[in-house]
Amino acid sequence: QKEVEQNSGPLSVPEGAIASLNCTYSDRGSQSFFWYRQYSGKSPELIMSIYSNGDKEDGRFTAQLNKASQYVSLLIRDSQPSDSATYLCAVGGGSYIPTFGRGTSLIVHP
Amino acid sequence: NAGVTQTPKFQVLKTGQSMTLQCAQDMNHNSMYWYRQDPGMGLRLIYYSASEGTTDKGEVPNGYNVSRLNKREFSLRLESAAPSQTSVYFCASSDSQGVNYEQYFGPGTRLTVT
Repeated sequence: QKEVEQNSGPLSVPEGAIASLNCTYSDRGSQSFFWYRQYSGKSPELIMSIYSNGDKEDGRFTAQLNKASQYVSLLIRDSQPSDSATYLCAVGGGSYIPTFGRGTSLIVHP
Repeated sequence: NAGVTQTPKFQVLKTGQSMTLQCAQDMNHNSMYWYRQDPGMGLRLIYYSASEGTTDKGEVPNGYNVSRLNKREFSLRLESAAPSQTSVYFCASSDSQGVNYEQYFGPGTRLTVT
């Protein structure tokens, strides 16, 4: 059973701070890693994908992957109230079916 | 370019009624998926279609059937709705080339079964 674990939160950070969201996974053969953002009442939206160890930056978002330790994280710099949402981690192996974590709720307060 | 579209957006059914949820994508993606999302349960895969002409069961297929009508369209049918099927249903698609299966989701269908 492939598992993807996330702290459900909520993670509360002040506006302008760095939000750090973490995800661990059980399948050592995993090759693809995704972060989705889901606003309340809306559908998940892909914000980052990462396939190799290290950091990948896109604007205020940085995804970090460490395959040896089996974790992937998402950093959000200069957090804004509009970043308040649930963040879903998804991990893919050799099939077309990524496994989703249950998500971490992020609250950015002014 | 509409991405992934779903109809209807909302639906209320009585126990035992049937209905079909429609999904279409205009991104020329190979793979399509149906998920349900319940509070505290995360996204659970119902059925998926890796490519046109194929469908496979996911984690929670009981009570559902699917049809991959063509490359663009993937429908989900509830033959005899039960209150346990009250949920939000999302359709997604992905290109599925190599290890790239970034998924793009439709807006969802909110289904209530009374």
